[in-house]
Amino acid sequence: DAGVIQSPRHEVTEMGQEVTLRCKPISGHNSLFWYRQTMMRGLELLIYFNNNVPIDDSGMPEDRFSAKMPNASFSTLKIQPSEPRDSAVYFCASSSRTGGHSFYGYTFGSGTRLTVV
Amino acid sequence: RKEVEQDPGPFNVPEGATVAFNCTYSNSASQSFFWYRQDCRKEPKLLMSVYSSGNEDGRFTAQLNRASQYISLLIRDSKLSDSATYLCVSGNQAGTALIFGKGTTLSVSS
Repeated sequence: DAGVIQSPRHEVTEMGQEVTLRCKPISGHNSLFWYRQTMMRGLELLIYFNNNVPIDDSGMPEDRFSAKMPNASFSTLKIQPSEPRDSAVYFCASSSRTGGHSFYGYTFGSGTRLTVV
Repeated sequence: RKEVEQDPGPFNVPEGATVAFNCTYSNSASQSFFWYRQDCRKEPKLLMSVYSSGNEDGRFTAQLNRASQYISLLIRDSKLSDSATYLCVSGNQAGTALIFGKGTTLSVSS
């Protein structure tokens, strides 16, 4: 199992530029989550998908942020235009329920460290 | 009010010590609870689930008190490798709304 794969690992961009973060969930997992982590606010849920459908995007900071999941194996988080306050580590996570039993938690990707200058 | 609150620490303990972390959650409807571990500049990793009856995994014991809405983690015989940030998590039964605390930092020294 390759785990949740995120790219790029690091991204440095100038204010105003478009940034696209990518995520490949674990095969067979039907839920995908995008989180943002900063020292001040900790881990914040931005949006999650269930079976490729966005279910809750109430955590998305503003219209500059958008996320898509065109198929079960790929998702993107886009920031346009980027601002210095968007600097953070962005994590993607996936999960599944196993045969209707209890939920077993998320598996996180290694994250994308975004710096907007 | 933050939904999951933890003492940020740091907790500085010597090897072999027993250390306990607590956290509180505000949503009484929460149904799932976890402890995650996060190493510096790494992703969070699931340490253990937390059940009402309490559960143990080697040197780690987790407890849930629904009446008081707090979760605890006990680490016995601390190792240098236990140094990390421990994140307390609560969520709904479906696992679609996990809320993470900001974490408690543990530093184990020789």
